[in-house]
Amino acid sequence: DTAVSQTPKYLVTQMGNDKSIKCEQNLGHDTMYWYKQDSKKFLKIMFSYNNKELIINETVPNRFSPKSPDKAHLNLHINSLELGDSAVYFCASSQDGQDQETQYFGPGTRLLVL
Amino acid sequence: TQLLEQSPQFLSIQEGENLTVYCNSSSVFSSLQWYRQEPGEGPVLLVTVVTGGEVKKLKRLTFQFGDARKDSSLHITAAQPGDTGLYLCAGADNYGQNFVFGPGTRLSVLP
Repeated sequence: DTAVSQTPKYLVTQMGNDKSIKCEQNLGHDTMYWYKQDSKKFLKIMFSYNNKELIINETVPNRFSPKSPDKAHLNLHINSLELGDSAVYFCASSQDGQDQETQYFGPGTRLLVL
Repeated sequence: TQLLEQSPQFLSIQEGENLTVYCNSSSVFSSLQWYRQEPGEGPVLLVTVVTGGEVKKLKRLTFQFGDARKDSSLHITAAQPGDTGLYLCAGADNYGQNFVFGPGTRLSVLP
């Protein structure tokens, strides 16, 4: 069974569109994350979400909004997509969100904005 | 903002050689993790180091956390083609609120 899954794996869309990426974890973890990996492979945390507490990286545009219907899901909604949003987006989860914990990553969603 | 630097950025070696990858920062981290990421996949955790000066071994991989908890190294002995991948270090600040990744070292081990 896949621990952290993301859909879709690939997403190609036009500039200005609104899109969502879904993430689910079946590990029973309390904390979930969204990361963006750019073309230079630099991973940057966008959000962490723990027990309904959302910690936002202040550099993330407000066009990005995480939505968590329940503890096992953290979806990423992006409004008015821009060319610079093209990247690979990774979802991850950890047990309690403590710094020493293992974060389990999903396979990534490759977003290409045309 | 805490930053992590990694060196070298790219490394191509022959099977059987040894190598060391470095992760450096001017900031202190409460813990530091090393991940390996293969093409098309998400990062997979290799190790977490917590104590300054700590050394952990994972088969042919040796990880060291600097005494001041500002740097770390990953040493691979007798590299194999299966070691090929992007090696990322990631650190958490003393409050555990910020988790940052280094830019990665792309390792290629040729048979």
